Amino acid sequence: AQSVTQPDIHITVSEGASLELRCNYSYGATPYLFWYVQSPGQGLQLLLKYFSGDTLVQGIKGFEAEFKRSQSSFNLRKPSVHWSDAAEYFCAVAPLGGFKTIFGAGTRLFVKA
Amino acid sequence: GAVVSQHPSRVICKSGTSVKIECRSLDFQATTMFWYRQFPKQSLMLMATSNEGSKATYEQGVEKDKFLINHASLTLSTLTVTSAHPEDSSFYICSARTGTGANTGELFFGEGSRLTVL
Repeated sequence: AQSVTQPDIHITVSEGASLELRCNYSYGATPYLFWYVQSPGQGLQLLLKYFSGDTLVQGIKGFEAEFKRSQSSFNLRKPSVHWSDAAEYFCAVAPLGGFKTIFGAGTRLFVKA
Repeated sequence: GAVVSQHPSRVICKSGTSVKIECRSLDFQATTMFWYRQFPKQSLMLMATSNEGSKATYEQGVEKDKFLINHASLTLSTLTVTSAHPEDSSFYICSARTGTGANTGELFFGEGSRLTVL
């Protein structure tokens, strides 16, 4: 069965520190991969996506993610976190043809001064 | 990028009444829209897939008679929570795809609608 695992329910980092949010997926073939961010009481905004090609993808707000097929992972990174990055982050996968998207449980990011 | 708008953003209603939530694609035609429900501090649960001009496809466990979905045009889908009860209180989010092709996996989300049933 298809699934997305975000092992960390919440993470706290200091402002200016680097960040890595983990995501592992289970799927028969390489799916489309996404990271979305959700601020409290808001909808979701796409940070970045991977379809094919270069396994290191750049997104908005200084985020990047690396697809590692051997590990079935798509971890999100940012070199220097800003207080405004505090939010909920969702990893998601969609099969080729992209019909039904499956979301991970989310990781809540807290940023301390 | 594509913009999806949801209305209302917040609604409070009495138990037993019905509430309609609208989801509009503002600058593109959405052949398919998705309705999600999100419980506090949890992920998104897909409720149903709405296709323009046809009946919605509901996920297992979702009551189609309680959550009525209508996708009458390429830019509008509505979710009506009928005979709402306090347990229906939740955050409802719609999303849309722009069509077929390599980018069909990307979803554009509305701002969400917070429903509180008293």
